[in-house]
Amino acid sequence: GDSVTQMEGPVTLSEEAFLTINCTYTATGYPSLFWYVQYPGEGLQLLLKATKADDKGSNKGFEATYRKETTSFHLEKGSVQVSDSAVYFCALSDPNTGNQFYFGTGTSLTVIP
Amino acid sequence: DSGVTQTPKHLITATGQRVTLRCSPRSGDLSVYWYQQSLDQGLQFLIQYYNGEERAKGNILERFSAQQFPDLHSELNLSSLELGDSALYFCASSVEGGQGISGNTIYFGEGSWLTVV
Repeated sequence: GDSVTQMEGPVTLSEEAFLTINCTYTATGYPSLFWYVQYPGEGLQLLLKATKADDKGSNKGFEATYRKETTSFHLEKGSVQVSDSAVYFCALSDPNTGNQFYFGTGTSLTVIP
Repeated sequence: DSGVTQTPKHLITATGQRVTLRCSPRSGDLSVYWYQQSLDQGLQFLIQYYNGEERAKGNILERFSAQQFPDLHSELNLSSLELGDSALYFCASSVEGGQGISGNTIYFGEGSWLTVV
């Protein structure tokens, strides 16, 4: 079945450091891939998405590229800020299963000044 | 603001009781999803409705039930509550829930905090 595996946290970085959060997936079809972010005390918000191979999603300085050959969708940011401290969820939506969403376990990021 | 509205935001109730959580999806969205988020279990998919009909079922307990009404709002009913049911319950919505449609994005509400004492 479909599933998402993402890097375990927590991750602690200094401000302006480079961020990578790994995400790999298993899917029967050609899924769409997403990164959601959850700030403390809030719901999940869509951060970025990609709907086909080699697409790059980007938003707020974050990027992720849909790599079909490695079934990956790693999240990157060149220079993190304290305000990026949150939990990040990788997810997929498989149109072959009625667009049911599958979420990773979440990776907690803390950025220290 | 995602456009998904959940009520109540906070709820404290005793073991054995029953509660109802309500969700209004974004305008135009036909699909509603319910998730449970707890510290030890992470984000768990409970159930999905599409245009009034159940579309997919996840790790939903038999003590829990949900429905989606003709106006597309949804309710999650939790009964015979136990301490372990204390969690944040999210509703999410999307336009589509059907087969073969790519790029479908779901939008989350801010959640309902349930504390069972």
